[in-house]
Amino acid sequence: DQQVKQNSPSLSVQEGRISILNCDYTNSMFDYFLWYKKYPAEGPTFLISISSIKDKNEDGRFTVFLNKSAKHLSLHIVPSQPGDSAVYFCAAKGGSNYKLTFGKGTLLTVNP
Amino acid sequence: DTAVSQTPKYLVTQMGNDKSIKCEQNLGHDTMYWYKQDSKKFLKIMFSYNNKELIINETVPNRFSPKSPDKAHLNLHINSLELGDSAVYFCASSQGDRGLGETQYFGPGTRLLVL
Repeated sequence: DQQVKQNSPSLSVQEGRISILNCDYTNSMFDYFLWYKKYPAEGPTFLISISSIKDKNEDGRFTVFLNKSAKHLSLHIVPSQPGDSAVYFCAAKGGSNYKLTFGKGTLLTVNP
Repeated sequence: DTAVSQTPKYLVTQMGNDKSIKCEQNLGHDTMYWYKQDSKKFLKIMFSYNNKELIINETVPNRFSPKSPDKAHLNLHINSLELGDSAVYFCASSQGDRGLGETQYFGPGTRLLVL
């Protein structure tokens, strides 16, 4: 039972354009959401997060949007750079639970 | 000065052997985790310790035994290794206050191949 879904296994964009990565969740108890970036042969690196009391969080080129009614979040990267090419994981947790539930990841390729 | 480190990075072994993976964090965090990333690329929680106390124990074969000698270390011992144990194992740590803003920081992973 996948509680966090990233339906696009891969995404390819041109350098300088916007990258939009999507994530859907089913568990209404989730109240904190994170995006991680992972390069090959490395561990996931924390990128940006958002709590359920917000609908947008911005950090430089990265913005995460949360639509609670649709149980959907997205990560926008503007402008995209070749160094952004990596696998992006969406993750969620609920309440006082330590456990993070991850999506399967989306491989982003930014072409020069 | 790596924040979360794991050893070894690669581990190739025969079926039936017993092996251990070590994890250390220098972030002063109270909570540590083990995740498994299988061939389908899902990252799944296996165990979590908070201040040396087991707090998460997902459905994992009892051949897997975590050990936390202190809050900066969480080791994973695997008995009687099977082919299906081949995966990448990630250690992570977090502050452990369980509140909003809790972020987990990951190690580089240990790539285990059972032959």
